[in-house]
Amino acid sequence: DAGVTQSPTHLIKTRGQQVTLRCSPKSGHDTVSWYQQALGQGPQFIFQYYEEEERQRGNFPDRFSGHQFPNYSSELNVNALLLGDSALYLCASSLVRTGININTEAFFGQGTRLTVV
Amino acid sequence: AQSVTQLGSHVSVSEGALVLLRCNYSSSVPPYLFWYVQYPNQGLQLLLKYTTGATLVKGINGFEAEFKKSETSFHLTKPSAHMSDAAEYFCAVSAIAGGTSYGKLTFGQGTILTVHP
Repeated sequence: DAGVTQSPTHLIKTRGQQVTLRCSPKSGHDTVSWYQQALGQGPQFIFQYYEEEERQRGNFPDRFSGHQFPNYSSELNVNALLLGDSALYLCASSLVRTGININTEAFFGQGTRLTVV
Repeated sequence: AQSVTQLGSHVSVSEGALVLLRCNYSSSVPPYLFWYVQYPNQGLQLLLKYTTGATLVKGINGFEAEFKKSETSFHLTKPSAHMSDAAEYFCAVSAIAGGTSYGKLTFGQGTILTVHP
């Protein structure tokens, strides 16, 4: 069973450019979350997609956008790149659960290392 | 809203010594708590989780953590450190909204564990 897969693994972009990162969730999962991990920091939540809609969003500007496809895979797009966008971008997949005994955990991909020069 | 504070950005122990990594959380609702480990240039791997029930939780690689509601803590321990335990460890809390969990995580800043021979 393949876990969460992300592509590409590394990327170098120039300030002002646009970038698209891709994520395929773990088999059986229906929710994809994206996190930004700057050097020496904990991951910060960007947003989350479920049923092809953005369900929750962290404190990130509109330059960060995303999409979820019918097969549950997802893309993260960042426009007008800034030097400060350099980070490890992590994708996590999970399964929506409702009602009692909610028990969910997120499985992470290996990440995409984005460097903005 | 949830938040996590990890006390000590760096912890150093000798091989065979006790490992104690501290985590305190803040949550307006009963929390789900997690510990993840991250090796250099890799994604996050789940060590253990607390959802409901027994407050002492055992995870992989000999780690365990105890949920103490009165202290709002979820400290991670391992009786005897091994060289392979050297990594960065993240404590995280999950947000539950309206009886539905999408798996969003709020992370602490991380603790780098160094193990000396």
